[in-house]
Amino acid sequence: ELKVEQNPLFLSMQEGKNYTIYCNYSTTSDRLYWYRQDPGKSLESLFVLLSNGAVKQEGRLMASLDTKARLSTLHITAAVHDLSATYFCAAFLGSRLTFGEGTQLTVNP
Amino acid sequence: EAGVTQFPSHSVIEKGQTVTLRCDPISGHDNLYWYRRVMGKEIKFLLHFVKESKQDESGMPNNRFLAERTGGTYSTLKVQPAELEDSGVYFCASSQPSGLDTQYFGPGTRLTVL
Repeated sequence: ELKVEQNPLFLSMQEGKNYTIYCNYSTTSDRLYWYRQDPGKSLESLFVLLSNGAVKQEGRLMASLDTKARLSTLHITAAVHDLSATYFCAAFLGSRLTFGEGTQLTVNP
Repeated sequence: EAGVTQFPSHSVIEKGQTVTLRCDPISGHDNLYWYRRVMGKEIKFLLHFVKESKQDESGMPNNRFLAERTGGTYSTLKVQPAELEDSGVYFCASSQPSGLDTQYFGPGTRLTVL
């Protein structure tokens, strides 16, 4: 059974700082997704990572995938308040997504 | 293009009552998924439709849950009778016909069973 673990679950950081969210998954996965959720809103797809060594960047967020280590990271550069949200990683296998518990990120002025 | 929509956004019912949740996928998306997030836990897969057929319903917790997708358009998820542990947020998602594409999520229905 595929399991996904995310850490940290809660992250409070100051504006301008850098930080990384980690996502480990237990078995081979077809692809790895990162989603963002604002309170009361839909999960918004940020990145899909398809192969070993894949790196995707959008603004202050960069995601990477190491399939050998079964690890994906979401790196935040020079955080700003607008990035406050819950971030989920999800591994795709078969036709379903298996999610981590989510990282609740708060960026403080 | 309209996104995935869900109705209602919130539902509060008493234990033993019946509730029906509705999901309208993005137009043209043959694949429709239901997930739920119980308080403090991760989002978990419930089932997957391809058009009107149930492709995978292995995540359905028990036979109090019934999902339908008549005509291959919108879907309903009925909980009957509801129990306290059914409280949580129920998400619907849809994806393109290939099934390998990104799943687009609706805003969820928050269900509270008292």
